Amino acid sequence: GAVVSQHPSRVICKSGTSVKIECRSLDFQATTMFWYRQFPKQSLMLMATSNEGSKATYEQGVEKDKFLINHASLTLSTLTVTSAHPEDSSFYICSARGRRGVTDTQYFGPGTRLTVL
Amino acid sequence: LAKTTQPISMDSYEGQEVNITCSHNNIATNDYITWYQQFPSQGPRFIIQGYKTKVTNEVASLFIPADRKSSTLSLPRVSLSDTAVYYCLVGDMISGGYNKLIFGAGTRLAVHP
Repeated sequence: GAVVSQHPSRVICKSGTSVKIECRSLDFQATTMFWYRQFPKQSLMLMATSNEGSKATYEQGVEKDKFLINHASLTLSTLTVTSAHPEDSSFYICSARGRRGVTDTQYFGPGTRLTVL
Repeated sequence: LAKTTQPISMDSYEGQEVNITCSHNNIATNDYITWYQQFPSQGPRFIIQGYKTKVTNEVASLFIPADRKSSTLSLPRVSLSDTAVYYCLVGDMISGGYNKLIFGAGTRLAVHP
């Protein structure tokens, strides 16, 4: 399957600081990238969807000013958690969708564990 | 967006075949069915994707009846390392754009020695 990377894999920060997470599709051009969040023992929750060069579309209840998404190229998207607080501690997973043949396939990164102290 | 329903959990033993069924009664014409596997603290891993009838790869088989309102993921001869959460997702994989995949609760599979 296709490879999607995330960096960093784990980050610990102080309350009030901002954290940037990078997501890269390594071997295909992603038409669309997605950001999910997952709390312990729960399923993945979609936060936002973005296309390269366009503003992200956020799911209901997700603050766009807090979770800044930049989709700079067909292989790179970043999520910045601004003024992080302990309740933002979670597992953040990005996903990249690309066309293979007649259909798209969506691949996921390994995730980033964010802990806010 | 099609909703999916899966069993919350399943148990099996090493060497057995495991079939996980997913219901998606409101599946749309352009919707494909995709299954993912997730281990703790890892991102979901793509297993298989299909539209109708049967799809097989080196890992699993996916059976989809003619009405497409359900699908069954078949894992042959499971091992302990197949213990994971399995997600069935339904979404438009043709039209491109902002079509998104929404996760349900998934099926927690436990494989016992």
